[in-house]
Amino acid sequence: QKEVEQDPGPLSVPEGAIVSLNCTYSNSAFQYFMWYRQYSRKGPELLMYTYSSGNKEDGRFTAQVDKSSKYISLFIRDSQPSDSATYLCAMSPYSSASKIIFGSGTRLSIRP
Amino acid sequence: DAGVIQSPRHEVTEMGQEVTLRCKPISGHDYLFWYRQTMMRGLELLIYFNNNVPIDDSGMPEDRFSAKMPNASFSTLKIQPSEPRDSAVYFCASRPSLGETQYFGPGTRLLVL
Repeated sequence: QKEVEQDPGPLSVPEGAIVSLNCTYSNSAFQYFMWYRQYSRKGPELLMYTYSSGNKEDGRFTAQVDKSSKYISLFIRDSQPSDSATYLCAMSPYSSASKIIFGSGTRLSIRP
Repeated sequence: DAGVIQSPRHEVTEMGQEVTLRCKPISGHDYLFWYRQTMMRGLELLIYFNNNVPIDDSGMPEDRFSAKMPNASFSTLKIQPSEPRDSAVYFCASRPSLGETQYFGPGTRLLVL
């Protein structure tokens, strides 16, 4: 079993829809949770960073962590075609972490 | 800032040949990471350096892979001899000492025939 599980998709939704992306994990030591966005033929870029359980909002993006269920989510409101990318969850036991474990990524497509 | 720079962007080689991938981290960043991304295995950490010193190379697949960081502005990842299963996108990333964000380069697409 992988430490981090993520549905690879692809996920296709119409413009303006609310998107929900999810990951589960098995290592209870994970405390820091991240979402990276990767456009086609580009490197990943950090989108959201959260610590422990709870919600964090940044514009149209909300990251949610439920440590009791070992489940994290990323919500995208009012989705735009420019949000079309692969989204990778990532996590680590430590802050300023060097060793980050990544999910395999979910490919998202927003239809105009 | 130019961001993390990687070269070459694409590499096609034949099995058994030596491959050298290059990376220039963002100036002032103390950490440098090498990752490999494939459809089957996702994004995997191969090795990382702190202040030019290798800290953890447990992700390096086997002895055919080696990485060096001779100075703060340059690192190489070498595969010798290369095999078809090494075909992947190799990313370099860097991070400052204080901060959680790793900044990724554009990657090198390697195809070993």
